[in-house]
Amino acid sequence: EVQLVESGGGLVQPGGSLRVSCEASGFTFSDYWMTWVRQAPGKGLEWVAIINQDGSQKFYVDSVRGRFTISRDNAKNSLYLQMNNLRAEDTAAYYCAKQSVGAGFDPWGQGTQVTVSS
Amino acid sequence: QSALTQPASVSGSPGQSITISCSGTSSDIGGYNFVSWYQQHPGKAPKLIIYEVSSRPSGVPDRFSGSKSGNTASLTISGLQAEDEADYYCNSYTGRSSPYVFGTGTQVTVL
Repeated sequence: EVQLVESGGGLVQPGGSLRVSCEASGFTFSDYWMTWVRQAPGKGLEWVAIINQDGSQKFYVDSVRGRFTISRDNAKNSLYLQMNNLRAEDTAAYYCAKQSVGAGFDPWGQGTQVTVSS
Repeated sequence: QSALTQPASVSGSPGQSITISCSGTSSDIGGYNFVSWYQQHPGKAPKLIIYEVSSRPSGVPDRFSGSKSGNTASLTISGLQAEDEADYYCNSYTGRSSPYVFGTGTQVTVL
């Protein structure tokens, strides 16, 4: 069974840093692009970042570029999102997802909550 | 990159058909056939239901269908069922430095 499990969320002060992780199982992790999507409380989905199979290509939404870094460790079947200089508007559930056929994102993890507040 | 535009809500009775629109530009929906749709029930992770405009992943009922005309994509749910009550989001590849964008989301209510 293909499974993605996020971890590392929590409460952090504005300006602080946090790294969230996503552990993959049930598929050959190194064969797929992987992405992060977030959802602020009561709001819609926002695409955040994506990384290719070997980590040589990374793309970000404008609002996080320069503050967030997506990375992966194929030996550990893990995806990461390092978030620096966090702002209140970064408060959201962060989901990881595997890029599947036709650029669809499938499946998704259960999400990890990040709250930025003093 | 602005979000794609969807109606905030759509409703229908059981058995009816409803259509959700997703409006973009020639730089996203109009320029590529990488439009996908996601269903999200409250408190749950999103689920892929349509990819490449009109293809269905294995296990997704065939009453879900997708299409595209110009800069607008559409999701149609035929034979609406109670379990279809959820939020629905479109997504498109854009080819820009931020290569993906979601729609604003549509809440579907089964009357």
